[in-house]
Amino acid sequence: EIVLTQSPGTLSLSPGERASLSCRARQSVTSNYLAWYQQRPGQAPRLLIYGASSRATGIPDRFSGSGSGTDFTLTINKLEPEDFAVYYCQQYGSSPVTFGPGTKVDIK
Amino acid sequence: QVQLVQSGAEVKKPGSSVKVSCTASGGTINTYTINWVRQAPGQGLEWMGGIIPIFGTAKYAQKFQGRVTITADASTGTVYMELSSLKSEDTAVYFCARELGLPDWYFDLWGRGTLVTVSS
Repeated sequence: EIVLTQSPGTLSLSPGERASLSCRARQSVTSNYLAWYQQRPGQAPRLLIYGASSRATGIPDRFSGSGSGTDFTLTINKLEPEDFAVYYCQQYGSSPVTFGPGTKVDIK
Repeated sequence: QVQLVQSGAEVKKPGSSVKVSCTASGGTINTYTINWVRQAPGQGLEWMGGIIPIFGTAKYAQKFQGRVTITADASTGTVYMELSSLKSEDTAVYFCARELGLPDWYFDLWGRGTLVTVSS
């Protein structure tokens, strides 16, 4: 199975700042089938990005995804208070689908 | 707007089984793959398996093979996940999540989760 690592483990930022989250795969992700999810405390994950760079329906354009192969990035421009949460990457190009361990974005 | 509705929290003894359900309100899930993902307290997300209700054949993560059974009742549009031989480490929130299908194998819609607590 494809192992995903995410860095940093925790990112401490202030509202209005930019967040840059990394997701790396040990092997190339087929067709860049890489998704990002946001999870707020006590809630289910919410799809943000699929296909490495396509925003899901209703996701604000301050969220963007980039990357290919084994290196992917989620960027959040001008953090809003509701953006402080945990973010997971997921590869869905190879079975089984796998998730990264998550990056927590908290308030500095 | 379609929502995935899961059954309520469960408390189980070690060695017993639990069966969690997932159904759709405002639509149908019969033609989509419905997956189960669990999250232990303070931990990350772990895929367990999935099923397409109209076909009925489930696929499982190797880790859970032999201990998890995912079934579906297409007539009611309900998917079930049964986990047997429960251990304390199975204490987790169990989510169902919809997968749209080729090539959109990501999970675009999630249930709110069902807390399963395993304790003697």
